[in-house]
Amino acid sequence: GNSVTQMEGPVTLSEEAFLTINCTYTATGYPSLFWYVQYPGEGLQLLLKATKADDKGSNKGFEATYRKETTSFHLEKGSVQVSDSAVYFCALKFDPNAGKSTFGDGTTLTVKP
Amino acid sequence: GAGVSQSPRYKVAKRGQDVALRCDPISGHVSLFWYQQALGQGPEFLTYFQNEAQLDKSGLPSDRFFAERPEGSVSTLKIQRTQQEDSAVYLCASSLGGPTEAFFGQGTRLTVV
Repeated sequence: GNSVTQMEGPVTLSEEAFLTINCTYTATGYPSLFWYVQYPGEGLQLLLKATKADDKGSNKGFEATYRKETTSFHLEKGSVQVSDSAVYFCALKFDPNAGKSTFGDGTTLTVKP
Repeated sequence: GAGVSQSPRYKVAKRGQDVALRCDPISGHVSLFWYQQALGQGPEFLTYFQNEAQLDKSGLPSDRFFAERPEGSVSTLKIQRTQQEDSAVYLCASSLGGPTEAFFGQGTRLTVV
């Protein structure tokens, strides 16, 4: 079946450090890929997405590239801020018109000043 | 309201009790989803509605779980004869349908004692 594997956390970084959170997936076919973020006390929010191979999603300084050859969608940011502290979830979805998304287990990021 | 609203935010139920969890989607949103999130894990798909039609209920873990959206707006997730393994955060999300972004509520944390 379809699955998403994320880098285990928690991840603790100093402000302005470089961030990578690894995400790999197993799927039959070519899903759309997503990163969601959950800030403390808030609901899940879509951070970025990519719908086909070699697409790069980007938002708020975060980037992720859909790599079909390595079945990966790693999240990166060049310089993190304290306000980036949150839980990050990688997810995949096959049918953009249907509801079902498959999520990873989440990676908790803490950024210290 | 501006976002997806879920109530109650917290629910403690005694084992064997029935519970009902409510989701008010964003006005005009056609699609509505329910997910279950156990502690330390990512959301797991439960069911999906398009307007009042339940198009996918493949994720409902047992026949004790039942969801409805009778008028294509508010949805209720009902769990009968709750068991300890039902303890989780139940997330609701809504979207305009098709490939548009899904917006998540803050969830209902259910604890079965």
